[in-house]
Amino acid sequence: QKEVEQDPGPLSVPEGAIVSLNCTYSNSAFQYFMWYRQYSRKGPELLMYTYSSGNKEDGRFTAQVDKSSKYISLFIRDSQPSDSATYLCAMSEPGSSNTGKLIFGQGTTLQVKP
Amino acid sequence: DAGVTQSPTHLIKTRGQQVTLRCSPKSGHDTVSWYQQALGQGPQFIFQYYEEEERQRGNFPDRFSGHQFPNYSSELNVNALLLGDSALYLCASSLLDREGTEAFFGQGTRLTVV
Repeated sequence: QKEVEQDPGPLSVPEGAIVSLNCTYSNSAFQYFMWYRQYSRKGPELLMYTYSSGNKEDGRFTAQVDKSSKYISLFIRDSQPSDSATYLCAMSEPGSSNTGKLIFGQGTTLQVKP
Repeated sequence: DAGVTQSPTHLIKTRGQQVTLRCSPKSGHDTVSWYQQALGQGPQFIFQYYEEEERQRGNFPDRFSGHQFPNYSSELNVNALLLGDSALYLCASSLLDREGTEAFFGQGTRLTVV
């Protein structure tokens, strides 16, 4: 069993839809939770970063962490074609900060159709 | 600021050969991490360098080695290449364990082993 599980998709939605992306994990010691966006032929870029449980909002993006269920989510409101990319969840190894060893999910490919 | 730069962008090698990939970190960063991203998978942590020393290592064989130079740039070396080493190799730079900061990724080097 992988430490971090993520549905690879692909996920296809119409423009303007609300998108929900999710990851589950097995290691209850994870403390830092991140969402990265990766466009084709590019490196990942950090979207959201959360320490421990709770919600964090940034514009159209909301990240949620439920440590009791070992479940994290990323919500994208009013999705745009420019949001079409692969979304990777990542967690840092216990004892590391968000810039230490990161453990990634498989990535979910999202396509937003005009 | 050029961000994280990696070279070369693409590389084709023959099984059994050796390869060296290079990374220049973002200005002001002192830590470099290397990841391997197979097609359709999330990045996997190879190792992290700080102050010219390997600080953390993932589950990769000794064929994978690295180096960090006094100017913080880094090299990843892979010996005795296998077909399974074909992947996108990503470099990420950061400030060591500085909470609230982030790791910035380069665009990666696409390695194909034939």
